[in-house]
Amino acid sequence: QKEVEQNSGPLSVPEGAIASLNCTYSDRGSQSFFWYRQYSGKSPELIMFIYSNGDKEDGRFTAQLNKASQYVSLLIRDSQPSDSATYLCAVNLNSGNTPLVFGKGTRLSVIA
Amino acid sequence: NAGVTQTPKFQVLKTGQSMTLQCAQDMNHNSMYWYRQDPGMGLRLIYYSASEGTTDKGEVPNGYNVSRLNKREFSLRLESAAPSQTSVYFCASSDGQHQPQHFGDGTRLSIL
Repeated sequence: QKEVEQNSGPLSVPEGAIASLNCTYSDRGSQSFFWYRQYSGKSPELIMFIYSNGDKEDGRFTAQLNKASQYVSLLIRDSQPSDSATYLCAVNLNSGNTPLVFGKGTRLSVIA
Repeated sequence: NAGVTQTPKFQVLKTGQSMTLQCAQDMNHNSMYWYRQDPGMGLRLIYYSASEGTTDKGEVPNGYNVSRLNKREFSLRLESAAPSQTSVYFCASSDGQHQPQHFGDGTRLSIL
């Protein structure tokens, strides 16, 4: 079964700490990986995407992809209360022309 | 700089009424999607259109129909609304199935 799994949380971290969000996926042939942030009552907003094994950095955000272990992570450095949101992992499974599969999201709470 | 525009933003219906949710994108994207989001369930794909002239069922298509009117517009119709269809509906678009999706602001639909 094609799945994208995330811990629902809440994940609580103190302000200034590193938040680590994880996502595992079932299809070993998956090619494209995306992280979205969703504030309560708002729509999902794309924050990172990664296609190749390794790390990709953008400001305080780092996406890490390990295809052999079938996981993708999002690290948020110097976490701020404004980072408190639900983070959705999305994977494009390499099984043809099919849409992204979204995880159910991890709720992050950054405590001031 | 509109991106993906959904109308209406809020709607209350009575059981059995019909309703069409409208979605338009100005990014010249080929693919468009309709999702519903319920507490604890994550984003669930209702229907998608990989390109103009094509539509396909997603995970939860029952009770819905769609029309890809042209490259810009993708509508979702509830023919006979049921309380189980109370949800937040998001439209999204992307340049292709392996590309990031961009979301509209959502329609909050309540069916009494």
